[in-house]
Amino acid sequence: DAGVIQSPRHEVTEMGQEVTLRCKPISGHNSLFWYRQTMMRGLELLIYFNNNVPIDDSGMPEDRFSAKMPNASFSTLKIQPSEPRDSAVYFCASSYIGRGNEQFFGPGTRLTVL
Amino acid sequence: GDSVTQMEGPVTLSEEAFLTINCTYTATGYPSLFWYVQYPGEGLQLLLKATKADDKGSNKGFEATYRKETTSFHLEKGSVQVSDSAVYFCALTSSNDYKLSFGAGTTVTVRA
Repeated sequence: DAGVIQSPRHEVTEMGQEVTLRCKPISGHNSLFWYRQTMMRGLELLIYFNNNVPIDDSGMPEDRFSAKMPNASFSTLKIQPSEPRDSAVYFCASSYIGRGNEQFFGPGTRLTVL
Repeated sequence: GDSVTQMEGPVTLSEEAFLTINCTYTATGYPSLFWYVQYPGEGLQLLLKATKADDKGSNKGFEATYRKETTSFHLEKGSVQVSDSAVYFCALTSSNDYKLSFGAGTTVTVRA
């Protein structure tokens, strides 16, 4: 079992640039979650999808952030334009709602915006 | 709304010491309770879980019991090792919601 796969693992970019983070959930899972982790704010849920449909995006900080899930095996989180305060570790997690509900996390993408 | 409160860290222990991390929760309905662990530079991993009152979750020497009467899910380990150094998160999910509500995390450092 490959687990949740995220890419890239590290991203360094300059302010104003577009950043795209990618996630491949565990095969067979029906829900996907994007989180952001910082020292100041801890772990924050940004958005989650069920059966590829966004259910709750109330955690998305602002319009610069967008997320898509075009199919059951792929999701993206895009930041455009990026700002230094977006620097954080971004985690993707997947789960099978209705079977325990525990979430399985990817290794994260460490984003640094200069 | 649902919330989780866990003891603040950091916690520093010597090897073979007893570890307790307190966790209490507020939730509607009958939540499932979890402990996740995050090792340095890694994502969160599920450590153990309990889905109903009086259930005991256990894994890798860690244990936690779902106490409905005290709305608690305290994590314990009888003899910690240096490799247990990590951040520990208590979390819950309500029966009618997909989302996990996380505590703030407790950093544990075990010294040889």
